[in-house]
Amino acid sequence: EAQVTQNPRYLITVTGKKLTVTCSQNMNHEYMSWYRQDPGLGLRQIYYSMNVEVTDKGDVPEGYKVSRKEKRNFPLILESPSPNQTSLYFCASTSTGHGNQPQHFGDGTRLSIL
Amino acid sequence: GDSVTQMEGPVTLSEEAFLTINCTYTATGYPSLFWYVQYPGEGLQLLLKATKADDKGSNKGFEATYRKETTSFHLEKGSVQVSDSAVYFCALSDPPFYGNNRLAFGKGNQVVVIP
Repeated sequence: EAQVTQNPRYLITVTGKKLTVTCSQNMNHEYMSWYRQDPGLGLRQIYYSMNVEVTDKGDVPEGYKVSRKEKRNFPLILESPSPNQTSLYFCASTSTGHGNQPQHFGDGTRLSIL
Repeated sequence: GDSVTQMEGPVTLSEEAFLTINCTYTATGYPSLFWYVQYPGEGLQLLLKATKADDKGSNKGFEATYRKETTSFHLEKGSVQVSDSAVYFCALSDPPFYGNNRLAFGKGNQVVVIP
């Protein structure tokens, strides 16, 4: 089954404690990205990756890092989380090209930073 | 930049009623348009898409037509069911060739269908 898998689904942690949210896809997609979803703001892109070792900032990258060492994995790293990063996070993947292919989303990770 | 505007506020309606959710967009190029649905506790799922003007996307009784002249992509369903209760997002993608496939999302509409 084609899927994007995120872990953990839920996490409550404290300010400053480094955390990583993992994302893995089994569709051999080149393109992966991270979004955060906040009430009244919709979904905003954090980072994206066009392929292995190729990453770039999205609209709201401050406070986040990513890496793309393997095609299937695209972890989101919060080196020093702060309360304003409390949000619902989604990983997405698709094949690269002209943008007319739908993106596949994970089930989301709800982060609470106290 | 590219943007999507959805009508404000939740939508509450009775089972078998007609559903319309308005979506308008701003884009510099020739975007592809999508409707995604988010059921409680789940990620976003593609509901339908249209990739060029006058295309009609359809799925599960939902339809939307890509109207370039009005820059709109309104979602409609003739007879909703309780199982259609979810949040609906309109989105567009207009990347440069082999560029960032960023989706620009509207803010979403909560749809509640009452039995």
